[in-house]
Amino acid sequence: DGGITQSPKYLFRKEGQNVTLSCEQNLNHDAMYWYRQDPGQGLRLIYYSQIVNDFQKGDIAEGYSVSREKKESFPLTVTSAQKNPTAFYLCASFDGTSLGDTQYFGPGTRLTVL
Amino acid sequence: SQQGEEDPQALSIQEGENATMNCSYKTSINNLQWYRQNSGRGLVHLILIRSNEREKHSGRLRVTLDTSKKSSSLLITASRAADTASYFCATDSLIQGAQKLVFGQGTRLTINP
Repeated sequence: DGGITQSPKYLFRKEGQNVTLSCEQNLNHDAMYWYRQDPGQGLRLIYYSQIVNDFQKGDIAEGYSVSREKKESFPLTVTSAQKNPTAFYLCASFDGTSLGDTQYFGPGTRLTVL
Repeated sequence: SQQGEEDPQALSIQEGENATMNCSYKTSINNLQWYRQNSGRGLVHLILIRSNEREKHSGRLRVTLDTSKKSSSLLITASRAADTASYFCATDSLIQGAQKLVFGQGTRLTINP
């Protein structure tokens, strides 16, 4: 059963703490993405990675960090430097072998800062 | 940056009616995609239309694209209660070999039984 999994589904963080959101895919896709979604809004790109050990900043990378040590995994760390981290976080992957392919999304992690 | 602007922001119709959502964007694109999101869930891909296409159909979905006006529309015919969701357009560009999707803020569709 191929797809993208994200964990945990809900995450609570105290102010000043770093937290890491997990994203795993078994679709053998090269590219992976992290998006942030605020209530009633569309998705904004945080970071993306086209290949193992390489990643680029998206539009709102400040206060976030990522790693891509394995093709299947692209964890996102929300650091204490992120001033307003409460949001819904979505991970996606992309085959990238031809133009017109779509991104496949995970179920999301809802992060709440207490 | 959010390239797409969707209209209306919210739409409520009776089951069986047709629902039309519009999307406008600012820069040139390779493709335009429509996604659906049920409350609190991830996005599900609905349909992709290429920049050289004007209309595309998939089941009860019909998408149009007007690149001269930088706009697209999604029509859902014979709506069902299960169509209740948020719908997002996303422009699709290749930047330095990476696919970049830029999303609109979405249309929240409610189908009343």
